[in-house]
Amino acid sequence: EDKVVQSPLSLVVHEGDTVTLNCSYEVTNFRSLLWYKQEKKAPTFLFMLTSSGIEKKSGRLSSILDKKELFSILNITATQTGDSAIYLCAVGRFGNEKLTFGTGTRLTIIP
Amino acid sequence: GAVVSQHPSWVICKSGTSVKIECRSLDFQATTMFWYRQFPKQSLMLMATSNEGSKATYEQGVEKDKFLINHASLTLSTLTVTSAHPEDSSFYICSANFATGENTEAFFGQGTRLTVV
Repeated sequence: EDKVVQSPLSLVVHEGDTVTLNCSYEVTNFRSLLWYKQEKKAPTFLFMLTSSGIEKKSGRLSSILDKKELFSILNITATQTGDSAIYLCAVGRFGNEKLTFGTGTRLTIIP
Repeated sequence: GAVVSQHPSWVICKSGTSVKIECRSLDFQATTMFWYRQFPKQSLMLMATSNEGSKATYEQGVEKDKFLINHASLTLSTLTVTSAHPEDSSFYICSANFATGENTEAFFGQGTRLTVV
């Protein structure tokens, strides 16, 4: 059975701090790992990672994948109150379109 | 990017009634769509895979007769919660995959918040 575990489950930091969110996985025929941000409604896409060691970056957010150690991290620098959300990690497999989601990390940024 | 539209965004119904939720891919065709359920402060739990022109594939523990899925066209999947009860109150989200370059990305509908009273 596929497993995706995120840590921490929740995190509270002050505006301006840097945070690192973790996602580890166990999946057969790994294809990709995706990060999503969920505020009040549906998740919005952040990154898709398929290769180890290649950092993906979008503004203050960046993410990297380690396929040997089976984990990914999502970094957010200079956090803002608008970064407060649930961050979801999901893993996709070859031969199957389903995504398996992790538990999510609830991030709260205090002004 | 691809757009997935879900309707209604919220619904309140009486216990014992049925509720239908629609999920549409607006600018692409989706042979497969996915239905998720999310309880407060929890992650997305896959309920079923909706397959165009054939029966849906349900995850373990999800009642097929309770959550009816119909995927009659390449752009529409519906989830009907039959004989709804308060414990069915939840946030339901659909998604469809769309190929972007070499990879396939999941696009989500806006979600439907169901409250059964």
